[in-house]
Amino acid sequence: GGIITQTPKFLIGQEGQKLTLKCQQNFNHDTMYWYRQDSGKGLRLIYYSITENDLQKGDLSEGYDASREKKSSFSLTVTSAQKNEMAVFLCASSIPTGVAEQFFGPGTRLTVL
Amino acid sequence: QQQVRQSPQSLTVWEGGTTVLTCSYEDSTFNYFPWYQQFPGEGPALLISILSVSDKKEDGRFTTFFNKREKKLSLHIIDSQPGDSATYFCAASGSNNRIFFGDGTQLVVKP
Repeated sequence: GGIITQTPKFLIGQEGQKLTLKCQQNFNHDTMYWYRQDSGKGLRLIYYSITENDLQKGDLSEGYDASREKKSSFSLTVTSAQKNEMAVFLCASSIPTGVAEQFFGPGTRLTVL
Repeated sequence: QQQVRQSPQSLTVWEGGTTVLTCSYEDSTFNYFPWYQQFPGEGPALLISILSVSDKKEDGRFTTFFNKREKKLSLHIIDSQPGDSATYFCAASGSNNRIFFGDGTQLVVKP
């Protein structure tokens, strides 16, 4: 088995601040994802990466940057934190096929003051 | 346009009862339909999944039904237990690497 680690677990920032969330996986999966989960809502895709050095925009990429530094890690940057984007950010990984299970990390909860 | 719609938004059932969650989707090219279960403070985890070539898949107390013609699916939980209390997400995907999630159903099973 493997595990996905997300750091930090809780992130508090000021409005307008640039904030970075990190994700590491040891499944040796090629594909990694960043989702945003608002309270009582489903998961919306921000960015995904099919393989190392690849980046694909999801439905919610505006206001975010991502970086796939190596196969095992995927970072997400909130370029200018806003109060309306307080949410839980979930990282996931899978093998590169549409019928594959996605494995999720525990999430980073973002609070913007 | 939301690709996957899920209902109800929340549901309370008594222990031992049957839970039924429903889902519909838009894109007829979707061929893989997973259900994810999420407990508070955790990420979602795959509960059960079905491919479009099947109409039913069972795993213990959990069964998912798929109706290709109506573009609908459902999740049935028999003998519901308090430990089943969680949020359940219906999802769908096609040939690329993306999965589209519904908004989730918050299930509470009362003892």
